[in-house]
Amino acid sequence: QLQLQESGPGLVKPAETLSFNCTVSGGSVSSTRYHWGWIRQPPGKGLEWIGIISDRGITYYNPSLKSRVTISVDASKNQFSLKLSSVTAADTAFYYCARHFYFGPYYHIDVWGKGTAVTVSS
Amino acid sequence: QSVLTQPPSVSAAPGQKVTISCSGGSSNIGKNYVSWYQQVPGTAPKLLIYEDYKRPSEIPDRFSGSRSGTSATLGITGLQTGDEADYYCATWDNSLRGFIFGSGTGVAVL
Repeated sequence: QLQLQESGPGLVKPAETLSFNCTVSGGSVSSTRYHWGWIRQPPGKGLEWIGIISDRGITYYNPSLKSRVTISVDASKNQFSLKLSSVTAADTAFYYCARHFYFGPYYHIDVWGKGTAVTVSS
Repeated sequence: QSVLTQPPSVSAAPGQKVTISCSGGSSNIGKNYVSWYQQVPGTAPKLLIYEDYKRPSEIPDRFSGSRSGTSATLGITGLQTGDEADYYCATWDNSLRGFIFGSGTGVAVL
């Protein structure tokens, strides 16, 4: 059974870059049927999709975050990563990594990590 | 503000039925399948419905989904206290070229 595990910094200062890794176990990031992505949830608020990356490295990002987001894959480590630059307090949230089932252009998210909390504060 | 609109909350007594609407537009629900997610407080979301009405094997048939035009609906019958959670619809938006979530609906079992 596929499992995802996020790792993140916990606390970062404003204007810094947030970096997360998601380790995939029980499956491969090289699968052509699945894309790999990130979702976040500010405290007490709803889900916000951040972006995804395919096995061929094609990315799609939320337009509202696109200028600050980079998602990448490291097949050798069976991991994928998220970088979010120039963070502010508004980026304080729970961050989830997730597997997206892809049947172009249709997606649904079938596996979620447990999530990791990040606070942006000086 | 979400592109997909859901009611903030719905409620019913145990054993009763609730429905949750998800209203979108021609570039999202009007063109693409809808999925639904359940998020029990303090836990990660879980897939409930995909491709409008299909259920993962572990999801009971008390949960159902449908889509018509630019709207989708989640139904929960035989309401149980364990169904108290937030529910989100989601789909791909062809104009935004991204995956979008609904605003979320909290279900309360009275």
